[in-house]
Amino acid sequence: ILNVEQSPQSLHVQEGDSTNFTCSFPSSNFYALHWYRWETAKSPEALFVMTLNGDEKKKGRISATLNTKEGYSYLYIKGSQPEDSATYLCALSSGNTGKLIFGQGTTLQVKP
Amino acid sequence: DAGITQSPRHKVTETGTPVTLRCHQTENHRYMYWYRQDPGHGLRLIHYSYGVKDTDKGEVSDGYSVSRSKTEDFLLTLESATSSQTSVYFCAISVGRSDEQYFGPGTRLTVT
Repeated sequence: ILNVEQSPQSLHVQEGDSTNFTCSFPSSNFYALHWYRWETAKSPEALFVMTLNGDEKKKGRISATLNTKEGYSYLYIKGSQPEDSATYLCALSSGNTGKLIFGQGTTLQVKP
Repeated sequence: DAGITQSPRHKVTETGTPVTLRCHQTENHRYMYWYRQDPGHGLRLIHYSYGVKDTDKGEVSDGYSVSRSKTEDFLLTLESATSSQTSVYFCAISVGRSDEQYFGPGTRLTVT
């Protein structure tokens, strides 16, 4: 069974701080790595899909990097805002059936 | 929202009763998934479907069954609900070669 680990489990930062969190995954059978943003009482929303070693993706103040050889991805948020408060999930795709294996998530709380 | 709806959105039921949740999509996507949300576990896959009448188990399938008699509908059934099945259930569809998933609004199920 593939295991996807995220750290830290939760994070509290002040508005304006930059932050980052980690997703670790087994590097064998890699197909794609996904990041989702999940606000309380809403559905998860896709942020990024990365497939190639060294991939970097950016959307506004949020960016992500991927290292498939060592099995990790980083998500960065520059200048955190209260509206960034959410749980950030990463998920590994093996590509056969579209199934995703999710990590347990990192919950970010940004204080004004 | 990728044209995904779930019904009901909220349900309270008693232990031992059967419950069926419905996921409906309007865009003829082949792959559909049922997840449950659990604290400390993120999202866990219950069952998935890769076509009409083609389904398979996920990591937490015990106590659940599914059916897909037409492309647009994927049904999740709890044959005899238990309190451990109290959760928020999300349906998702998979889009594109990168397996990006889009989620429905969720169904909050409480088993008393």
